[in-house]
Amino acid sequence: EVQLVESGGGLVQPGGSLRLSCAASGITISRFWMTWVRQAPGKGLEWVAIVKPDGSVKQYVDSVKGRFTISRDNPKNFLYLQMNSLRVEDTAVYYCASGLAAPYALDLWGQGTKVTVSS
Amino acid sequence: QSALTQPASVSGSPGQSITISCTGTSSDVGAYNYVSWYQQHPGKAPKLIIYEVSNRPSGVSDRFSGSKSGHTASLIISGLQAEDEADYYCKSYTNRSTPYVFGTGTKVTVL
Repeated sequence: EVQLVESGGGLVQPGGSLRLSCAASGITISRFWMTWVRQAPGKGLEWVAIVKPDGSVKQYVDSVKGRFTISRDNPKNFLYLQMNSLRVEDTAVYYCASGLAAPYALDLWGQGTKVTVSS
Repeated sequence: QSALTQPASVSGSPGQSITISCTGTSSDVGAYNYVSWYQQHPGKAPKLIIYEVSNRPSGVSDRFSGSKSGHTASLIISGLQAEDEADYYCKSYTNRSTPYVFGTGTKVTVL
């Protein structure tokens, strides 16, 4: 079965750090751009970050630039999101996703991992 | 970067057709045919239903269709069914520093 499974979410204090992981199975992620999308409680989807198949290109939404780092381990088939200097407004469910059949869309999603930033 | 503009809510009776608009700018929707649409049921991950403006992934009902005119993309749901009640989001590629942007989201209610 082709799937993405996120982990690493939890409760963290403002200013703290967290690393999210996304394990892929049934696909070889080295062929695909990989993306993180988040959704704050009761809010809409927000595109967060993307990384090229070989890891050479990384792009971010302005609100996380300098604080979040997207990375990938292709041999292990994992995607990561290192989140530093976390803010209350980073509280959200974080999804990893990819476009397998449509490179500019996201046709494979994980189930999401919840991140709560609170004191 | 501002989100693409969608109506907050759209409703219709079973069997009817509804249209959800997604308005952007010359930097996103107006510039590229890389508009996609996602359906999200409560507590679930989003699901791709339209990509590249009007293409349906395998397995998606042909009751869903998409189009674009100028800076506005549209999702049309025909033959509305109870299972279509969900949130819908558009997404577009952009030429800004942030390469993708989602719409504000539309809640579809089946009356």
